[in-house]
Amino acid sequence: EVQLLESGGGLVQPGGSLRLSCAASGFTFDTYAMTWVRQAPGEGLEWVSSISISGDNTFYADSVKGRFTISRDNSKSTLYLQMNSLRAEDTAVYYCAKDKEGVRADYFDSWGQGTLVIVSS
Amino acid sequence: DIQMTQSPSTLSASVGDRVTITCRASQSISIWLAWYQQKPGKAPKLLIYKASNLESGVPSRFSGSGSGTEFTLTISSLQPEDFATYYCQQHLGPLVFGQGTRLEIK
Repeated sequence: EVQLLESGGGLVQPGGSLRLSCAASGFTFDTYAMTWVRQAPGEGLEWVSSISISGDNTFYADSVKGRFTISRDNSKSTLYLQMNSLRAEDTAVYYCAKDKEGVRADYFDSWGQGTLVIVSS
Repeated sequence: DIQMTQSPSTLSASVGDRVTITCRASQSISIWLAWYQQKPGKAPKLLIYKASNLESGVPSRFSGSGSGTEFTLTISSLQPEDFATYYCQQHLGPLVFGQGTRLEIK
């Protein structure tokens, strides 16, 4: 059974940093592209960032480009999202998601339970 | 970026009804569209990919159609567990989700 377990969320002040992790199990992690999607309270889904299987290629939404960095450690089956210069509008539940096809097909058949990030003073 | 517009934003229906949700793209995305279901406090669940492919384990009452700029998700006979929010997502270029359609009990 595929499992994705996010961690690292919490309360952080504007301008601060946070690192999210997503521990994967139940599938061969190093054969699937991975993605972060977020959802602000009461709002819809927003794509944040994606990473290729090897980690060589990364992609970002304009809203986070230059502030967030996605990475992965295939030896640990773990996906990361380093978030710097956080803003109030980054407040959201952050989900990690597994690409259904392996290479970056960009639709997601498995999702974590989410981790809540609150940016507030 | 390609924008996605879902309609309606809210849909009231009864168990047994046939319902259709529409998603329109601001430019052609061929068949590169997925549909998700999300229940409160839960992660989204993939229902349909590449416009009309039913995800494994998803009941056959769900179907997707369309290509280019107009797409539909149809539920042929609503069941109590289908009341949720539905999102379309284009997967051509920078990913974009529709704003969601809340399906509520009439």
